[in-house]
Amino acid sequence: GAGVSQTPSNKVTEKGKYVELRCDPISGHTALYWYRQSLGQGPEFLIYFQGTGAADDSGLPNDRFFAVRPEGSVSTLKIQRTERGDSAVYLCASSLGTSFGYGYTFGSGTRLTVV
Amino acid sequence: DAKTTQPPSMDCAEGRAANLPCNHSTISGNEYVYWYRQIHSQGPQYIIHGLKNNETNEMASLIITEDRKSSTLILPHATLRDTAVYYCIVRVGNNQGGKLIFGQGTELSVKP
Repeated sequence: GAGVSQTPSNKVTEKGKYVELRCDPISGHTALYWYRQSLGQGPEFLIYFQGTGAADDSGLPNDRFFAVRPEGSVSTLKIQRTERGDSAVYLCASSLGTSFGYGYTFGSGTRLTVV
Repeated sequence: DAKTTQPPSMDCAEGRAANLPCNHSTISGNEYVYWYRQIHSQGPQYIIHGLKNNETNEMASLIITEDRKSSTLILPHATLRDTAVYYCIVRVGNNQGGKLIFGQGTELSVKP
């Protein structure tokens, strides 16, 4: 597609439930990034993929968060045992590569609300 | 932590130039300065980036001081649609995946 697509756009879940958030990057983009944005804050880095492998997962807050990108294209962010503090907008971005010449293209995000 | 400092908010009159400052006094020699903006309820949008020379594209100009410790993003003729949060980012080196570390940004309000 023309841009980065994230589904669903909104997700409401109950505390303790499991959720999956999907990101479809721009075709041909090898680098894929996940960010989380709380109200009034800048986006916070979570994890980055180069191809199929997670090259840097230093931003994942704890082991309830996990992400995969099995075929080097679509990625899924998985959150187990959700907590109210996980409520945020989850943003995905993709890039042709990781060198400085490449900017990111962000999707519109998934707004997750844990009740 | 973000390596940049920006004013939390600024106002600009429609049609005038908006000059958004950014301090990045600890920038390393091989680190680029990137600018993104985020309009309400949308993902951040790339604007421009540079290393040491001034840069211009169809959206904006980026002026980087000679010592590279600060920069200014210039929107030459601001419109109401330029109202957004503007992020100045020093991009971490390649061996960390080129990830962007966002700060709090500057909330620019363009007023009629």
